[in-house]
Amino acid sequence: AQSVTQLGSHVSVSEGALVLLRCNYSSSVPPYLFWYVQYPNQGLQLLLKYTTGATLVKGINGFEAEFKKSETSFHLTKPSAHMSDAAEYFCAVSLQGAQKLVFGQGTRLTINP
Amino acid sequence: EAEVAQSPRYKITEKSQAVAFWCDPISGHATLYWYRQILGQGPELLVQFQDESVVDDSQLPKDRFSAERLKGVDSTLKIQPAELGDSAMYLCASSPHKTASVEQYFGPGTRLTVT
Repeated sequence: AQSVTQLGSHVSVSEGALVLLRCNYSSSVPPYLFWYVQYPNQGLQLLLKYTTGATLVKGINGFEAEFKKSETSFHLTKPSAHMSDAAEYFCAVSLQGAQKLVFGQGTRLTINP
Repeated sequence: EAEVAQSPRYKITEKSQAVAFWCDPISGHATLYWYRQILGQGPELLVQFQDESVVDDSQLPKDRFSAERLKGVDSTLKIQPAELGDSAMYLCASSPHKTASVEQYFGPGTRLTVT
């Protein structure tokens, strides 16, 4: 069965600094990979997704992620953090042909002024 | 922009009482999901509907939880009786297709507190 591990339950960066949120997955076949963001007391919003094709995926709000099959990773990055990026971020995986999303535990991103 | 609607947004109930949550997906979305999100964790799928049929309810505690989507549109999730461990955020999501690569659209959730 597929699973997702997010390294670091809490990440803190300064405004303007690089954001790096780590995600590793376990799957016996190439998966579909997603990053969602959740603001306090709200539902989840899709940031970006990888299905097939180009391994560097660009999403909303300046975020991007790179699928690295050899490392079974899908880390999320943003060159320059903004105060509005403070939120909870979830990596998720699903298998081709299946509909179920399996989420990681989440990483809470804090931005320091 | 169309959104997934959920009500109520917040619910406080006593242990052993019954509680129900409602979800109205985006119009035309055939697939509907209910997730439970315990504080500090990622969402966990409880049940998935394709139109009015249950596709996956393997993680639904069927002794106390039930879900229905009678006309293939809106859906209700019920807990009876509620237990302290049921305190969580209950999220509803919908999708226009049943393929795994398609985005799921999430509602704002219902935060349940059981006392």
